[in-house]
Amino acid sequence: GAVVSQHPSRVICKSGTSVKIECRSLDFQATTMFWYRQFPKKSLMLMATSNEGSKATYEQGVEKDKFLINHASLTLSTLTVTSAHPEDSSFYICSASTGALQETQYFGPGTRLLVL
Amino acid sequence: GQSLEQPSEVTAVEGAIVQINCTYQTSGFYGLSWYQQHDGGAPTFLSYNGLDGLEETGRFSSFLSRSDSYGYLLLQELQMKDSASYFCAVGNRDDKIIFGKGTRLHILP
Repeated sequence: GAVVSQHPSRVICKSGTSVKIECRSLDFQATTMFWYRQFPKKSLMLMATSNEGSKATYEQGVEKDKFLINHASLTLSTLTVTSAHPEDSSFYICSASTGALQETQYFGPGTRLLVL
Repeated sequence: GQSLEQPSEVTAVEGAIVQINCTYQTSGFYGLSWYQQHDGGAPTFLSYNGLDGLEETGRFSSFLSRSDSYGYLLLQELQMKDSASYFCAVGNRDDKIIFGKGTRLHILP
């Protein structure tokens, strides 16, 4: 149980375009979903916390107008990278929590974004 | 502020035991988690400690001492497939989970 899917797994886009990444909890309802960014051989950096039906809470330094997060249902959250630039190239990972304390998170397989 | 410290790399021999330590500093500490991440993959949850003591799950055990702000992940009977990065993560009352920088475990045959 507790499977999280992410789509697409890999995307290459041109600079200036927007990219949407979907995160779905397949067999449970996730009250909270998280979006992370990870650079090669680095730790996961929390970008934002997303609760269904409310605005996402962004971490300091993360541009909310550039990284649009929508949590439309208890099983779906989307991250849209708007006007992508090469520096946005990274590994984006979502996770979903099943409990109130978020002590365990189940991660999606990640989306590798390359902006040319 | 919040911070986690764990070794950047650890090397061990196949079949042996290895311990990865994690010290943390955070306000409103709730619990310590451990995640495993293979190259190119997403993290997978290994264990969680909300209370002091040892939690055992198969070959993996995790320990927490809240008074010392310290925990560790113990891997026994190491296998080559255990070569990966291991992250400790703390949850706090702000409902966030902050990850350490990760420990890269190298296993020698």
